Amino acid sequence: EPEVTQTPSHQVTQMGQEVILRCVPISNHLYFYWYRQILGQKVEFLVSFYNNEISEKSEIFDDQFSVERPDGSNFTLKIRSTKLEDSAMYFCASNRGQYPEAFFGQGTRLTVV
Amino acid sequence: AQRVTQPEKLLSVFKGAPVELKCNYSYSGSPELFWYVQYSRQRLQLLLRHISRESIKGFTADLNKGETSFHLKKPFAQEEDSAMYYCALSSGNTGKLIFGQGTTLQVKP
Repeated sequence: EPEVTQTPSHQVTQMGQEVILRCVPISNHLYFYWYRQILGQKVEFLVSFYNNEISEKSEIFDDQFSVERPDGSNFTLKIRSTKLEDSAMYFCASNRGQYPEAFFGQGTRLTVV
Repeated sequence: AQRVTQPEKLLSVFKGAPVELKCNYSYSGSPELFWYVQYSRQRLQLLLRHISRESIKGFTADLNKGETSFHLKKPFAQEEDSAMYYCALSSGNTGKLIFGQGTTLQVKP
């Protein structure tokens, strides 16, 4: 069964450094998403991506964040200058259309020190 | 404002007991609601969605628009049901999900 794959599973970075979180969505899916979950808090929407552009983003998704689908298979989330409060589990998700079920990756735990 | 509320952080029951995980929502249009489950060390996965009105692993959920609720129920809990359960609402035309805080279900033997 196809799965959404995220790498790395855990990343530790120093404050102020750039990080790139990688995701390979399911191949015939059209909509791609990033969510994050700070420890002890709810899963929060960051951004949705469709037809090679951002279709919606949350207030959290400020200028420090960017997304890209560079080669038609990978979907990346870049945080330009990490802050301590960016420490969280980041989930990638994809689906075939707007309303069918979203498939989630296993998550990348980002720790900013 | 669009919001999903799960009032219980932890629900602990004995095997064979009925389970009800509560979910209330706030949404101005016609909501599409889901229950996602995350078993220990596994990824978030869809359990069921209101539009399909199906029963998965013995769980059902009915959308009550009057009470703005979408509670998840199972008549007889099993130990393998122990997991984190998230209620979620699909908002807008991008398919983004708004999640509740999650409820940990602990089924004791």
